Amino acid sequence: NAGVTQTPKFQVLKTGQSMTLQCAQDMNHEYMSWYRQDPGMGLRLIHYSVGAGITDQGEVPNGYNVSRSTTEDFPLRLLSAAPSQTSVYFCASSLAPGVGQYFGPGTRLTVT
Amino acid sequence: GESVGLHLPTLSVQEGDNSIINCAYSNSASDYFIWYKQESGKGPQFIIDIRSNMDKRQGQRVTVLLNKTVKHLSLQIAATQPGDSAVYFCAENTGENTGFQKLVFGTGTRLLVSP
Repeated sequence: NAGVTQTPKFQVLKTGQSMTLQCAQDMNHEYMSWYRQDPGMGLRLIHYSVGAGITDQGEVPNGYNVSRSTTEDFPLRLLSAAPSQTSVYFCASSLAPGVGQYFGPGTRLTVT
Repeated sequence: GESVGLHLPTLSVQEGDNSIINCAYSNSASDYFIWYKQESGKGPQFIIDIRSNMDKRQGQRVTVLLNKTVKHLSLQIAATQPGDSAVYFCAENTGENTGFQKLVFGTGTRLLVSP
């Protein structure tokens, strides 16, 4: 199994541009989530999904959209990038609630 | 508000020593706790977890202790190796279980292991 994969690894955007961060998992996990990690702060939940077709907001959802059309994929869309969205983004998946999540390698995003 | 924090931002140990990384949590309703290891440039890696109905859980070279009375969590690493050098995060499930495990993460402790 490849586990949780994320693309791209690095991305630079200009303010106002849009883009999609890709996340895929091959473990048949129902639960997937997106976090951002900023210096000196813990991981913060952006959006999550409990199964195909079901998504919900986390702690910091503003400026981001998600969809879950398949079990495997959970893309994160930045609608109009802002410098405040400069961060490292991690996707995670788990088999069930109450079970430790598996994280992808991350995408480092810089918005200028 | 709810928070998960760490007492020591950096812990330096010698190879072969035992390491103890501490974490305080504030939500007495939290029922599930996880320790993650994050190496530079990589995503967090699950190490060990523990539920609130347990006080101790052991894995391979790692032990997690939970003291619900003082809301304290610790990760013990036996015979620490250079490969253990990383940032360690604790996380708690605050109990907002709407079909998903919502975790609150601490800011992390950096473990430095010197040969």
